[in-house]
Amino acid sequence: KAGVTQTPRYLIKTRGQQVTLSCSPISGHRSVSWYQQTPGQGLQFLFEYFSETQRNKGNFPGRFSGRQFSNSRSEMNVSTLELGDSALYLCASSLYFRGQGNEKLFFGSGTQLSVL
Amino acid sequence: SQQGEEDPQALSIQEGENATMNCSYKTSINNLQWYRQNSGRGLVHLILIRSNEREKHSGRLRVTLDTSKKSSSLLITASRAADTASYFCATDAAAGNKLTFGGGTRVLVKP
Repeated sequence: KAGVTQTPRYLIKTRGQQVTLSCSPISGHRSVSWYQQTPGQGLQFLFEYFSETQRNKGNFPGRFSGRQFSNSRSEMNVSTLELGDSALYLCASSLYFRGQGNEKLFFGSGTQLSVL
Repeated sequence: SQQGEEDPQALSIQEGENATMNCSYKTSINNLQWYRQNSGRGLVHLILIRSNEREKHSGRLRVTLDTSKKSSSLLITASRAADTASYFCATDAAAGNKLTFGGGTRVLVKP
């Protein structure tokens, strides 16, 4: 079974630009979560989607948005990039929506975003 | 703010020794999970322990949970160089649906 696939692996952008990151979950997984990882703040929860609906959201500004498609693939978008958005963005999928069963997360390798 | 806080922040041991790291959290939980991350890569799930469990084993891993103290520990026995990684605890809080990660413990196993 293929794992969680994130594309692209690396991305370099300049301040003010926008970026879209993609995540393909494990086949059959309907829940997709996104995390931002930086050396200073650690792993910060961005949002979670289940069946195309955003079920939970972290404390990030509105510049961070996401969506999930009917095939469970997910994208996250960051508009008006700032230097502080430089981070490893991790996507994770799980078989069940949290609270209904197995909460184990399967992570992708991440997208390393550098904002210059 | 982070729900889980790991201690120590970094650990250096010789191959064959045991490594122990601790996680403390603040609110009631449904379960607590441990993950491993190799440098710059995604996290790999190691073990999940539910709030009504006190101890779980998986291979060379042993996890304990003390809900009265709101703490957990991860023990890696007979460590190997390949165990060099960062280890994170994550809590699934009873209130709210997100999985919250601690700051991690960086473990270096020297051959």
